Amino acid sequence: DSGVTQTPKHLITATGQRVTLRCSPRSGDLSVYWYQQSLDQGLQFLIQYYNGEERAKGNILERFSAQQFPDLHSELNLSSLELGDSALYFCASSVERNEQFFGPGTRLTVL
Amino acid sequence: GQNIDQPTEMTATEGAIVQINCTYQTSGFNGLFWYQQHAGEAPTFLSYNVLDGLEEKGRFSSFLSRSKGYSYLLLKELQMKDSASYLCALPGAGSYQLTFGKGTKLSVIP
Repeated sequence: DSGVTQTPKHLITATGQRVTLRCSPRSGDLSVYWYQQSLDQGLQFLIQYYNGEERAKGNILERFSAQQFPDLHSELNLSSLELGDSALYFCASSVERNEQFFGPGTRLTVL
Repeated sequence: GQNIDQPTEMTATEGAIVQINCTYQTSGFNGLFWYQQHAGEAPTFLSYNVLDGLEEKGRFSSFLSRSKGYSYLLLKELQMKDSASYLCALPGAGSYQLTFGKGTKLSVIP
């Protein structure tokens, strides 16, 4: 158990819908990272927050957004969902430049 | 930018030793991570190298050569539970987000 929690574990929805994925980092970790893992693309960095502020952006689509709240939990919002958005979404947390600890992931299926 | 290459698949026998290679190109080096990922599960941290040489941690060792843009993960006394994907990753400058290779899927056979 990494100490990072993610909900829900599984999510099945239809194209065009909007979903919210939630992540709680390890106690004391200020950085939260979101990654997407699909079969053909591997693990891809989406976005990072540090202590409530956006710090870095990767290949995140404009239909996707995220935020980190004062209690440091983070949410990833995915809208206008397409079939290609089906993937595993991981959240990770870390203490500055140390190794990242990954949550169990949310498996999103778009039908 | 950053680019990482790893073999796609490898097979090894239980009890044997296997070496998983990773070559990379990056404009700024901030160390190299190895993660293990079992199918459908979260990646878990194995090692971090920032200086050249070999770092040993139990059955797992990781080697880095910065001048060659090369790293390898050495797994000894292979066990069936070592069947997993092994991911090589580079942290970015500043924010430290990880760029992952596509991963090497290791199958350990009896």
